[in-house]
Amino acid sequence: DTEVTQTPKHLVMGMTNKKSLKCEQHMGHRAMYWYKQKAKKPPELMFVYSYEKLSINESVPSRFSPECPNSSLLNLHLHALQPEDSALYLCASSPGRGGQPQHFGDGTRLSIL
Amino acid sequence: KQEVTQIPAALSVPEGENLVLNCSFTDSAIYNLQWFRQDPGKGLTSLLLIQSSQREQTSGRLNASLDKSSGRSTLYIAASQPGDSATYLCAVHNYGQNFVFGPGTRLSVLP
Repeated sequence: DTEVTQTPKHLVMGMTNKKSLKCEQHMGHRAMYWYKQKAKKPPELMFVYSYEKLSINESVPSRFSPECPNSSLLNLHLHALQPEDSALYLCASSPGRGGQPQHFGDGTRLSIL
Repeated sequence: KQEVTQIPAALSVPEGENLVLNCSFTDSAIYNLQWFRQDPGKGLTSLLLIQSSQREQTSGRLNASLDKSSGRSTLYIAASQPGDSATYLCAVHNYGQNFVFGPGTRLSVLP
């Protein structure tokens, strides 16, 4: 069982829908990450939160909006997505930043119709 | 900018073989390097983390080595089993930067 929990596991949405992905960890980690992974490709970093503050946004389109309500929760709000946004979205956490090992959730498989 | 490559891209071996997966990186000023495995449609499972000051790490049948000066790491899997079939990714962390992932090696261990 993974220590980083992501919900939902699968999500199908239309291009005009608004939905949210959720990530939760109870390991006391203070850094949390969102990655996007296309089939047969490595994960690509989207956002990094450190101590609940956004520290990195890797030029992600504004239709993706991250939120970190507290140290255990990380959300990714989705709006007006495009078919090319279909991918596996992975959440990870680490004790802090600075090269500490990252722990990944099982991801949310997102399909945009 | 750090670039990470992994060879081979895919590997198929019979059960019981010992095998080596390779990871190369262009910027040797790394903080650490982490090996992951990923099963189809799943997240990443951390296997081993090697700090820049270390030469190798071992966990069960897995051994990872690091040669910073040559920009290489290897993951050695002893006595491979069908359950080892997965994609193996290495991720390199430079000071002040985030992890950069390699493209992965897809491993199939045949019974």
